[in-house]
Amino acid sequence: GQQLNQSPQSMFIQEGEDVSMNCTSSSIFNTWLWYKQDPGEGPVLLIALYKAGELTSNGRLTAQFGITRKDSFLNISASIPSDVGIYFCAGQLIGNQFYFGTGTSLTVIP
Amino acid sequence: EAGVTQSPTHLIKTRGQQATLRCSPISGHTSVYWYQQALGLGLQFLLWYDEGEERNRGNFPPRFSGRQFPNYSSELNVNALELEDSALYLCASSMDQGSKNIQYFGAGTRLSVL
Repeated sequence: GQQLNQSPQSMFIQEGEDVSMNCTSSSIFNTWLWYKQDPGEGPVLLIALYKAGELTSNGRLTAQFGITRKDSFLNISASIPSDVGIYFCAGQLIGNQFYFGTGTSLTVIP
Repeated sequence: EAGVTQSPTHLIKTRGQQATLRCSPISGHTSVYWYQQALGLGLQFLLWYDEGEERNRGNFPPRFSGRQFPNYSSELNVNALELEDSALYLCASSMDQGSKNIQYFGAGTRLSVL
């Protein structure tokens, strides 16, 4: 199925730095979701966005639903070692049809 | 409330055998999705079931098949296993609420084909 364009593919950062990643699509989505996956585990939902322009925070994480409804951004402030993992974006197109980004692998260097 | 549960956690098979993976969705969720994730890679969409019907299928050969039962649980079957089928298989469930739908994932089944 369709996959969203997610960037960057990987990031290596120092502990304490801020992180930004984004997803873009040619389709308009009703909902944008951001997940984190730890090694060998299933993805866990971090933030759900439901409205164009919406900005939502979850602790040090902030995500935005793009105005065009074709993109979304996730920011992590003051990164810590436990932020390590793969971050996925997902868009809900219609009904229960979902599309996933290719993932951003985050490594935090203590 | 229980989340999405998958069984078994790990499965070891040899080439040519068949594998059956199981998934129980969150109570009240009617949609079940299956994904394949090879080591370090993204989620490859396999199958989507809703209300017992197959709604969509990813770009996988016919030896990947599944079904959804009346209680909304689901099975993924992989026939004639090949070495490259070794991967983490993830199941997710969702409830159709119109525009505010969310997928919730299980912990996955790690399939190793020797």
